Amino acid sequence: SQQGEEDPQALSIQEGENATMNCSYKTSINNLQWYRQNSGRGLVHLILIRSNEREKHSGRLRVTLDTSKKSSSLLITASRAADTASYFCATSGSGNTPLVFGKGTRLSVIA
Amino acid sequence: DAGVIQSPRHEVTEMGQEVTLRCKPISGHNSLFWYRQTMMRGLELLIYFNNNVPIDDSGMPEDRFSAKMPNASFSTLKIQPSEPRDSAVYFCASTGTTVLNSPLHFGNGTRLTVT
Repeated sequence: SQQGEEDPQALSIQEGENATMNCSYKTSINNLQWYRQNSGRGLVHLILIRSNEREKHSGRLRVTLDTSKKSSSLLITASRAADTASYFCATSGSGNTPLVFGKGTRLSVIA
Repeated sequence: DAGVIQSPRHEVTEMGQEVTLRCKPISGHNSLFWYRQTMMRGLELLIYFNNNVPIDDSGMPEDRFSAKMPNASFSTLKIQPSEPRDSAVYFCASTGTTVLNSPLHFGNGTRLTVT
């Protein structure tokens, strides 16, 4: 299975600190995406990084991709209480295949 | 744009009853996906459609599950008969391309409880 696995399963930090979440996967990918899910809501797309990219930024988000290690990390800088949510990585293999999601990291940012 | 709309938001039913979940994708989107989310198994892809045509239903757990997309603006997921192990949150997602690994737009889900 190419399903990504996020690490840690849960993370609790103080407001203002940085939060780092990791994702590992098993097979070659076309791209890797990160999503956020607030309680009781659907997933929201945050950022997409292609297999030939190593780093990408979007506001307070920074994503890295290491295809040799089959891993990615999501960094949220200067976290806020509103960042409290679950974060999922999703991968897609070669060819036109749909996304497969990991089980997510639950982030709690304490004000 | 209203986004992906799912109904109902919550459904409680007794074992053996038929359940129908509904989804309206974003207007103009031509790929639609049904996912199921549980604590144990995470987010599982059940079935997806391109241009209203089912492409891959290998994720549908059993013959009790069926999905249709009669037109570009409506899809249903039916469970008949329902069982307690079907209890989960069911999400519909759409994207405006037939490239399946494009970013997805999710609805807010239907929380199904089968007693």
